[in-house]
Amino acid sequence: AQSVTQLGSHVSVSEGALVLLRCNYSSSVPPYLFWYVQYPNQGLQLLLKYTSAATLVKGINGFEAEFKKSETSFHLTKPSAHMSDAAEYFCAVTSTGFQKLVFGTGTRLLVSP
Amino acid sequence: DVKVTQSSRYLVKRTGEKVFLECVQDMDHENMFWYRQDPGLGLRLIYFSYDVKMKEKGDIPEGYSVSREKKERFSLILESASTNQTSMYLCASMGGILGANVLTFGAGSRLTVL
Repeated sequence: AQSVTQLGSHVSVSEGALVLLRCNYSSSVPPYLFWYVQYPNQGLQLLLKYTSAATLVKGINGFEAEFKKSETSFHLTKPSAHMSDAAEYFCAVTSTGFQKLVFGTGTRLLVSP
Repeated sequence: DVKVTQSSRYLVKRTGEKVFLECVQDMDHENMFWYRQDPGLGLRLIYFSYDVKMKEKGDIPEGYSVSREKKERFSLILESASTNQTSMYLCASMGGILGANVLTFGAGSRLTVL
């Protein structure tokens, strides 16, 4: 069975600081991995996705994530946080088809001035 | 530029009432989904549909049913609402080739059952 674990339900950073949101997955076959973002009072939108091409994936708004098979990780990073990055971030995995997309429990990013 | 529209953003219902949550997409997508979002639990799949009149159970279908009479519309039905169904409900759609796996979400419907 596939699963995804997001470490830390809340992460706080200062504006301009590095953002690191952690995601570890479990899958018996090569996975597809995703990061979605949810701004307040909105639905989720795709930040980036890994589909077995380049291991370093660049997304929108300056975010990127690196697929590390040896560590079964897909951590999300951004070099410099902006106030507008405050949101909830979800990691998701699938390896058996779209109907089996499994989401993590989410990490809320708080950005202070 | 709205692509997935959920008709009700906030609903308050009483225990035992029948509740309809409507979702419409304008992208001609074959696949549509209903998720439930709860704090600390992330998103959990209730039902999905891969074609008109076709539906499949997700991980937590108990207490819910769905209807897809037209390609663009996917409805979630709570036959007899209970307080443990108080939650945020998210509709999503997906088209393209199977490998795309990218969901487009609506803004959500927050349901409170008293």
